[in-house]
Amino acid sequence: GAVVSQHPSWVICKSGTSVKIECRSLDFQATTMFWYRQFPKQSLMLMATSNEGSKATYEQGVEKDKFLINHASLTLSTLTVTSAHPEDSSFYICSASDDPQETQYFGPGTRLLVL
Amino acid sequence: GQQVMQIPQYQHVQEGEDFTTYCNSSTTLSNIQWYKQRPGGHPVFLIQLVKSGEVKKQKRLTFQFGEAKKNSSLHITATQTTDVGTYFCAGLLTGTASKLTFGTGTRLQVTL
Repeated sequence: GAVVSQHPSWVICKSGTSVKIECRSLDFQATTMFWYRQFPKQSLMLMATSNEGSKATYEQGVEKDKFLINHASLTLSTLTVTSAHPEDSSFYICSASDDPQETQYFGPGTRLLVL
Repeated sequence: GQQVMQIPQYQHVQEGEDFTTYCNSSTTLSNIQWYKQRPGGHPVFLIQLVKSGEVKKQKRLTFQFGEAKKNSSLHITATQTTDVGTYFCAGLLTGTASKLTFGTGTRLQVTL
């Protein structure tokens, strides 16, 4: 089956620093990648949708200047949390799809802890 | 905005008992997907339902999509401890590009 990787799997950083998370589709070309955030014992909340070569579409309430998304190729998307604060601590999960109407394949997630 | 609710939020069963989680959308869905997330893990795709009234089975799991394409259910027969986790439905809204809206999830605990 399709495999999506994320790196790093764990990040601990100081408040005010920026953190970059990579999402890669390993064995297929992902025309669309999605970034989700999940707080403990809650559901996944879509943050943004990115298509290769174009600007990401952010969900209402998600600050695009704080969560920078770059989808530079058909196999790589990055999420940069700029000037991270403790309230940004969460589980960030990406997913990738080669057909928006079909299955999204999820990465293993990145746990971010901002001190 | 679109909401997808699941009930119950949590269920604790003894191994061998059956389990059902229900998913309800405020709007008509193009399709519905089900995911399982183990504690500490990430969502893993289980199945996709597309047609009105569709029923699919995977071993002990039975998935159903409602006639109006606004609700769905997942039934597990004779639960096992390996079924522990949170089950999410995720709906693809009719007419939108590709956004999945995840349900609130049902956490299943199975004990011996």
